[in-house]
Amino acid sequence: DIQMTQSPSSLSASVGDRVTITCRAGQSISRFLNWYQQKPGKAPKLLIYAASNLQSGVPSRFSGSGSGTDFALAISSLQPEDFATYFCQQSYDTPWTFGQGTQVEI
Amino acid sequence: QVQLQESGPGLVKPSQTLSLTCTVSGVSVSSGGYYWSWIRQRPGKGLEWIGYIYNSVNTYYNPSLKSRLTISVDSSKNQFSLNVNSVTAADTAVYYCARELRYFQGYYFDSWGQGTLVTVSS
Repeated sequence: DIQMTQSPSSLSASVGDRVTITCRAGQSISRFLNWYQQKPGKAPKLLIYAASNLQSGVPSRFSGSGSGTDFALAISSLQPEDFATYFCQQSYDTPWTFGQGTQVEI
Repeated sequence: QVQLQESGPGLVKPSQTLSLTCTVSGVSVSSGGYYWSWIRQRPGKGLEWIGYIYNSVNTYYNPSLKSRLTISVDSSKNQFSLNVNSVTAADTAVYYCARELRYFQGYYFDSWGQGTLVTVSS
């Protein structure tokens, strides 16, 4: 299985801050990397697919970058509704695997 | 707009079979091009992909669970289902059904059910 490691596990930030979360794959996964946002008690929501493609309806303050083994999710100006947990997921090889999550809190 | 909704018992006894159903609206589960997955999240843990079914009969299961899994489709009800045999407390989790899209750019879960908590306990 391809191991996905996110950092940090949690971070504290304020409204308006720029936030960056990183995700490292245990082997090269090209650009087969997706990002999801999950709020408490809710299902994950797709934000970014194929490393840098913004899902329809997702605000443009979210962006993704990277290829190979190192990826990043950036939020340019944190909004109150962005406080949540973020997961990366590789779709390069089955079984699909997820990072352990990064909790963004105030 | 596609919508997914999980249903099934919230409590299952150890060694018994966990059975969940995902009802899909807005698209046929039998239509080609979509992969229908189950994913779970154990309490306080991350997400674990369980397996998928596509073209109504083709399945792929996570090797870590493969021996205990069955995923199937009921086209008449536009549903797909998950069975996990011989459950233990380690199978206690929120179970999600999701649709996976596959394009040349990549593969990703674009639609999810709300999730259903299944507790394994006597």
